[in-house]
Amino acid sequence: QVQLKESGPGLVKPSETLSLTCTVSGVPMDFYSWSWVRQSAGKGLEWIGRVYASGSTNYNPSLESRVTMSVDTSKNQFSLRMRSVTAADTAVYYCASHLSVGFFDYWGQGILVPVSS
Amino acid sequence: EIVLTQSPGTLSLSPGERATLSCRASQGLSSSYLAWYQQKPGQAPRLLIYGTSTRAAGIPDRISGSGSGTDFTLTISRLEPEDFAVYYCQQYSDSHWTFGQGTKVEIK
Repeated sequence: QVQLKESGPGLVKPSETLSLTCTVSGVPMDFYSWSWVRQSAGKGLEWIGRVYASGSTNYNPSLESRVTMSVDTSKNQFSLRMRSVTAADTAVYYCASHLSVGFFDYWGQGILVPVSS
Repeated sequence: EIVLTQSPGTLSLSPGERATLSCRASQGLSSSYLAWYQQKPGQAPRLLIYGTSTRAAGIPDRISGSGSGTDFTLTISRLEPEDFAVYYCQQYSDSHWTFGQGTKVEIK
């Protein structure tokens, strides 16, 4: 069974860097790609970007200047770093898998990241 | 960027009724690369449909998807209590994936 779980700090201060990790189990990471999606309170879903097992990435153009994603297949993990956060970045952040092309087949439970001083 | 517009914003129906949700793309989607997700409060989205009409594992056949080009539909033939939720469409036709804003299916 494929499972994903997000981890990271419970609170980030404005202007600092948000760092999250997703731990994957139940499937080898080597052949697939992996994404981050966020959802602000009461709002819809926003795709942040994806990372391939090779390490290549593809980001949402609206966030590209502040986002870096990476993968460590030996640890079954992939990560998100978002720089210079503001209150507008407060959201539930989900990690998700693409075992097939393009759609999100498995999701983590999500992690709430408030941005506040 | 491909913009997806879902309608209606809210659908008020009774159990047993038929639900028809629309998703319109700002440009045609290649190879019908459209998916649908269901989200309940406090939960992650769940994949329902991919490739416009293929049900994901474990999804009942009362849920179906159709469409092509720019117009897509999710149909729930007979609403069960567990179907009341928010539904999102998502395109993966180009390299920058986008979601619709969601349709809430609520109990009338």
